[in-house]
Amino acid sequence: EIVLTQSPGTLSLSPGERATLACRASQSVISGYLAWYQQKPGQAPRLLIYGASSRATGIPDRFSGSGSGTDFTLTISRLEPEDFAVYYCQQYGSSPLFGQGTKLEIK
Amino acid sequence: QVQLQESGPGLVKPSETLSLTCTVSGGSVSSGSYYWSWIRQPPGKGLEWIGYIYYSGSTNYKPSLKSRLTISVDTSKNQFSLNLSSVTAADTAVYYCARGWYGDYTYYFDSWGQGTLVTVSS
Repeated sequence: EIVLTQSPGTLSLSPGERATLACRASQSVISGYLAWYQQKPGQAPRLLIYGASSRATGIPDRFSGSGSGTDFTLTISRLEPEDFAVYYCQQYGSSPLFGQGTKLEIK
Repeated sequence: QVQLQESGPGLVKPSETLSLTCTVSGGSVSSGSYYWSWIRQPPGKGLEWIGYIYYSGSTNYKPSLKSRLTISVDTSKNQFSLNLSSVTAADTAVYYCARGWYGDYTYYFDSWGQGTLVTVSS
């Protein structure tokens, strides 16, 4: 079974800075099956990126996804105050699977 | 725009069955390429996919829950449901229903319910 490992566990940055979040799979993943979500406290997750690099409807272009094989990245080019949240990657092998999450907090 | 809404008891006793229903509006559970999932999140922890169902009734369950889990769909009511038997405190979580798009070598959850907290306690 594929395992998704996200790093770092917590990322402390300031508004305006660039955030780089990693998601590593224990074996190669078809890029189309890699997605990213944002979750704020008390809210359901929201789809940000699907197919490793396609932004979901209404997602600002400061969010971008990249990667292939076992290594994927979510980049937020310039952090806004509303971007501080927990981010999850998700893949589909024989079934959906989430990474453990990266908490992006204000420094 | 599709909306999903979970409903069911917020408190379940140990060893009993947890039952939740997800009502879909603004869309149809019979739509092709969509798989209807249950996902849970224990307090302070990450997301755990539990299982999904297609409108035809075919299912896919997380192996570790398979012996206790039943997901069903009622296309006439535009709903799908979760039954998890023999619950313990470890099943305490916020339970989300979600719509999964599956097609063209891609799979992602594009719509989520707001979530409902289910506590297992006597």
